[in-house]
Amino acid sequence: DMKVTQMPRYLIKRMGENVLLECGQDMSHETMYWYRQDPGLGLQLIYISYDVDSNSEGDIPKGYRVSRKKREHFSLILDSAKTNQTSVYFCASSLSLFSNERLFFGHGTKLSVL
Amino acid sequence: GDSVTQTEGLVTVTEGLPVKLNCTYQTTYLTIAFFWYVQYLNEAPQVLLKSSTDNKRTEHQGFHATLHKSSSSFHLQKSSAQLSDSALYYCALEGGSAKLIFGEGTKLTVSS
Repeated sequence: DMKVTQMPRYLIKRMGENVLLECGQDMSHETMYWYRQDPGLGLQLIYISYDVDSNSEGDIPKGYRVSRKKREHFSLILDSAKTNQTSVYFCASSLSLFSNERLFFGHGTKLSVL
Repeated sequence: GDSVTQTEGLVTVTEGLPVKLNCTYQTTYLTIAFFWYVQYLNEAPQVLLKSSTDNKRTEHQGFHATLHKSSSSFHLQKSSAQLSDSALYYCALEGGSAKLIFGEGTKLTVSS
């Protein structure tokens, strides 16, 4: 069963704390993504990863970094979280750079930074 | 830069009536593909339609959309809305480097 798994589903952090959001996929997809979803803004691309240790900034990378040491795992890190990073974060994957037939999304992580 | 615009944040329609969700875009890419994604409550977004051919109608699950490059549009339509169609709908553009650019989203509410 093809799936993208995100952990945790819900997370509450205090401002200034570090945050680690994890994402896994079982489809051997090359390309993985992190998006954040905010009302009225839609889905905004934070980072894209084309494979292990091959990451590229998306449209809103400031305040975030990523790590991809294995093809099936893609992590999003917030160093010293800010209240404006409260959002729903979605991880997604697709087969390859040249095959964007569809993105497979995880169920999201709802992050609240207090 | 490249962008996708969905002008309506919220669309409300009565069950059985037609519905149209608007999507326009700006892009510098020559080869483009367009998607409509649907996100049901507490679920992940999933692809509904895809098109990369100008003036060709694409259909799925009763919805249809036609890419019109002349007017930079890819509107989503359905002739008879169902209660189960209530969801958040995203229009998205893929121009290159595997980056999907999403619109702001339109929340569709179908009432009885």
